[in-house]
Amino acid sequence: DQQVKQNSPSLSVQEGRISILNCDYTNSMFDYFLWYKKYPAEGPTFLISISSIKDKNEDGRFTVFLNKSAKHLSLHIVPSQPGDSAVYFCGTGGTSYGKLTFGQGTILTVHP
Amino acid sequence: EPEVTQTPSHQVTQMGQEVILRCVPISNHLYFYWYRQILGQKVEFLVSFYNNEISEKSEIFDDQFSVERPDGSNFTLKIRSTKLEDSAMYFCASSEQDTPPLHFGNGTRLTVT
Repeated sequence: DQQVKQNSPSLSVQEGRISILNCDYTNSMFDYFLWYKKYPAEGPTFLISISSIKDKNEDGRFTVFLNKSAKHLSLHIVPSQPGDSAVYFCGTGGTSYGKLTFGQGTILTVHP
Repeated sequence: EPEVTQTPSHQVTQMGQEVILRCVPISNHLYFYWYRQILGQKVEFLVSFYNNEISEKSEIFDDQFSVERPDGSNFTLKIRSTKLEDSAMYFCASSEQDTPPLHFGNGTRLTVT
């Protein structure tokens, strides 16, 4: 199932810098998109979402950008903090809001 | 902050045995879900549940799987005859409405030997 892809398995960033996590999808029927963060031994924690009618949504240090024509979304974290170190999953959904399709995740490491 | 709780955190069972994974969703939530993550793979949708019935299920959710809300607080996933390939982390989730976001529990690691 390659409907949602996160091509970078890992990303390493210095504290205070910007972290950019990317996600590509293939199904143009998806109409909302989410980012989750996951620490070891915990469940995914919701971070931020965006619907297909928008191209940007911001919440504090987190901004999600959606490029529908490219079927691409990204998560920007500015400034990055060591506590942001986790696995980040993008998730997409269509008419069934609870049926999310996830990417394989990107491990973000923020170095002090 | 209210949270989804799952028990046990780790379950070991022998192939062919029945297993029940338990979840207590957030109290005012009406929509319930099970997802799983096989080691090294993606988090995958299994089933959604609303108003005491299954709303949608994936092709993974075959006749060996069932879900139940036996009372006003618990939501369970039963696997009737476990196989080795059922070994995974199983996540329960809930939402207040049929809209995102979903709130996930910390998962139950199921190991089938």
